[in-house]
Amino acid sequence: EAGVAQSPRYKIIEKRQSVAFWCNPISGHATLYWYQQILGQGPKLLIQFQNNGVVDDSQLPKDRFSAERLKGVDSTLKIQPAKLEDSAVYLCASSHSDSYGYTFGSGTRLTVV
Amino acid sequence: TQLLEQSPQFLSIQEGENLTVYCNSSSVFSSLQWYRQEPGEGPVLLVTVVTGGEVKKLKRLTFQFGDARKDSSLHITAAQPGDTGLYLCAGGRGGSQGNLIFGKGTKLSVKP
Repeated sequence: EAGVAQSPRYKIIEKRQSVAFWCNPISGHATLYWYQQILGQGPKLLIQFQNNGVVDDSQLPKDRFSAERLKGVDSTLKIQPAKLEDSAVYLCASSHSDSYGYTFGSGTRLTVV
Repeated sequence: TQLLEQSPQFLSIQEGENLTVYCNSSSVFSSLQWYRQEPGEGPVLLVTVVTGGEVKKLKRLTFQFGDARKDSSLHITAAQPGDTGLYLCAGGRGGSQGNLIFGKGTKLSVKP
């Protein structure tokens, strides 16, 4: 079974620029999550999708972050404009609706300078 | 706000030693999961426990969920250098279709 695919692996941008991350979950996994992991901390949930609907986006900074999951498969997370404090690893995960466990991608390491 | 506190934050031991990592909260969770994360990679699921008092063993790793479903522990017997990594506990909200709150992790280093 193919894993969760994320791209790019690394991205360096200047503050106030925009950036987008892409995620393709495991086939058949209805639930998709985006997490932000700042260095030295555990992952923090940004948004949860069930198919193409948003289940939880309570911790998403909506003034600058947006995410979509068209057709209930792959997803895009965008930051516009980026701030220095957005420097982190952005992890995408997916899970089957009958399973507790998540499968994570390798993440995108974002550095904002 | 639900929080998961992990201790210790850092642990450096010699190969062959035993260790225990703790994960505590004042909140009740529907499940408790443990992940291991290596540098440059995403977390990898080790185990899920859902019943209070549940104990699961995975080779040299033993996981326990507290009776009140507020805390958990991970015990490693005879640690090996391959066990080195960041161990994250995560509390489940809302059953299998909910989401997870993660602790800050315990960074384990096992020296040969």
